[in-house]
Amino acid sequence: EAGVAQSPRYKIIEKRQSVAFWCNPISGHATLYWYQQILGQGPKLLIQFQNNGVVDDSQLPKDRFSAERLKGVDSTLKIQPAKLEDSAVYLCASSLYGYEQYFGPGTRLTVT
Amino acid sequence: GIQVEQSPPDLILQEGANSTLRCNFSDSVNNLQWFHQNPWGQLINLFYIPSGTKQNGRLSATTVATERYSLLYISSSQTTDSGVYFCAVQTGGGNKLTFGTGTQLKVEL
Repeated sequence: EAGVAQSPRYKIIEKRQSVAFWCNPISGHATLYWYQQILGQGPKLLIQFQNNGVVDDSQLPKDRFSAERLKGVDSTLKIQPAKLEDSAVYLCASSLYGYEQYFGPGTRLTVT
Repeated sequence: GIQVEQSPPDLILQEGANSTLRCNFSDSVNNLQWFHQNPWGQLINLFYIPSGTKQNGRLSATTVATERYSLLYISSSQTTDSGVYFCAVQTGGGNKLTFGTGTQLKVEL
């Protein structure tokens, strides 16, 4: 069974530029999550989808971050415009029934 | 919100040694998972253990939900066990995971 796929694996951009990350969850997993992990900390939830609907986006900085999950499968997370403090690893996870979560390899973003 | 604290924050072991990592949480939880984050950043599922005891090879975990803690045991440690170990909990009706502070483990030859 294929795991959670993410791309790109690394991205370097200048502040005020935009960037997008892509995630493909494990086949059949209805719940998809985006987490942000700042160096030295544990991951923090940004947004949770159930199929293509948003369940929790309370910690998403909506003035610059947006996310969508078209057709309840793949998802994209966008940052526009990026700030220096957005430098982090962005992790996508999925789960079948909302319990055990499985994580992708992450996208390491550096904002200069 | 719930507080999740892990101890010790850092641990250095000689290969072959055993260790116990602890996770304390401040409120009732519906779910608890242990992860290993390898040096490349990948979060690897170790255990889904809201209560009770589970074992998988050299690793085992115990969660005592009524006393709000979980333990991860690593026996006969290997250099490939190096990395950061996180526990993460779910509470209430939501599904989001709240991660602990992590334990940085280094296993030396």
